[in-house]
Amino acid sequence: AQSVSQHNHHVILSEAASLELGCNYSYGGTVNLFWYVQYPGQHLQLLLKYFSGDPLVKGIKGFEAEFIKSKFSFNLRKPSVQWSDTAEYFCAVNLYSSASKIIFGSGTRLSIRP
Amino acid sequence: DTEVTQTPKHLVMGMTNKKSLKCEQHMGHRAMYWYKQKAKKPPELMFVYSYEKLSINESVPSRFSPECPNSSLLNLHLHALQPEDSALYLCASSQVDMNTEAFFGQGTRLTVV
Repeated sequence: AQSVSQHNHHVILSEAASLELGCNYSYGGTVNLFWYVQYPGQHLQLLLKYFSGDPLVKGIKGFEAEFIKSKFSFNLRKPSVQWSDTAEYFCAVNLYSSASKIIFGSGTRLSIRP
Repeated sequence: DTEVTQTPKHLVMGMTNKKSLKCEQHMGHRAMYWYKQKAKKPPELMFVYSYEKLSINESVPSRFSPECPNSSLLNLHLHALQPEDSALYLCASSQVDMNTEAFFGQGTRLTVV
């Protein structure tokens, strides 16, 4: 079945620590990949996206992600987190066929200790 | 303008009520989506409209009835809901294209009593 997996449900880090959140997808076709962030009480915002080309993509707020096709992975990274990065992070894929079908992973709650 | 506007922000309805959720965007997007998000869970896709036609229905119960009256508006009509339907309902829009991102509204917090 087509799916998106995020194995880290809750990650707790101290400020300035490095971050890596895992995302794996299960789909045999061409996919477009996203990381969205949901700050408390706010709407989903796009952090970054991968459509094609350079598998290392840079997004907003110092986030980056690497697409590894052979591993069906799209992990999110940030070298040094800040307290303001506390949020829920969702990996998503567009399983495009005749229409866009964007589905989300289960999410990772990131808590940053000041 | 990169906004998707949803109204109302909060809605409380009884199980016998009929209500509607509204969504509007002016980005020229021709794909619009409804998602349901329960607390501490990811958004779950409900419906997708492409060029004002329903293209995906993720086996949603008929008590949820979507409508896309024009390219800027998307409605979700609610009737005879159950308490377990209480959730945050998110609207999103995008280009009708594979290489596209979705823009999300802030959602309607629905409580069914």
